[in-house]
Amino acid sequence: KAGVTQTPRYLIKTRGQQVTLSCSPISGHRSVSWYQQTPGQGLQFLFEYFSETQRNKGNFPGRFSGRQFSNSRSEMNVSTLELGDSALYLCASSPQGVEANDSGNTIYFGEGSWLTVV
Amino acid sequence: SQQGEEDPQALSIQEGENATMNCSYKTSINNLQWYRQNSGRGLVHLILIRSNEREKHSGRLRVTLDTSKKSSSLLITASRAADTASYFCATDEDRNFGNEKLTFGTGTRLTIIP
Repeated sequence: KAGVTQTPRYLIKTRGQQVTLSCSPISGHRSVSWYQQTPGQGLQFLFEYFSETQRNKGNFPGRFSGRQFSNSRSEMNVSTLELGDSALYLCASSPQGVEANDSGNTIYFGEGSWLTVV
Repeated sequence: SQQGEEDPQALSIQEGENATMNCSYKTSINNLQWYRQNSGRGLVHLILIRSNEREKHSGRLRVTLDTSKKSSSLLITASRAADTASYFCATDEDRNFGNEKLTFGTGTRLTIIP
């Protein structure tokens, strides 16, 4: 099986612009989540989608948004970019257990998208 | 915000020695996962341990979990140069089925000296 695929891998944007990052989960995985990694704040949860619905959201401003398509692929968008948005953005997918009490879902990450805002 | 701290922040050992990293967290958890990250790359999943488990092995990796102390440790035996990376623990705090939200520790930077 192919792993979690993220595109683009590297990009440079100017302050004030917007950016869209794409993520294709592992085949069969229905949950997709996004994380931001910076040297100062470490790894922080952005949001999680399951069956095209956002189920959980981290503590980020409204400039950060996302969506999930019917094929489980996901995109995240950052509008009005700021210098502080420069980071590695990681997408992760998990299979989701079918039993209501399954608590052992392994979460797999992609290689990330490096965003530099200048 | 991050769940807790990892200790030590950085560790350098000779190839062949064992490396131990510790992770502390703050809340009740469903499970705890350990990840490796090579410089500039994504996170590679190493091992998952459930809250009702105390120890788990995978190859050269041994993970322990003490929920009473809210801590976990990762032991890498017979280290190799390729083990040089940052290691993170991540907890799944949400007890509601299906809400996948990991909270990461601060990470340990491991350097294996050939």
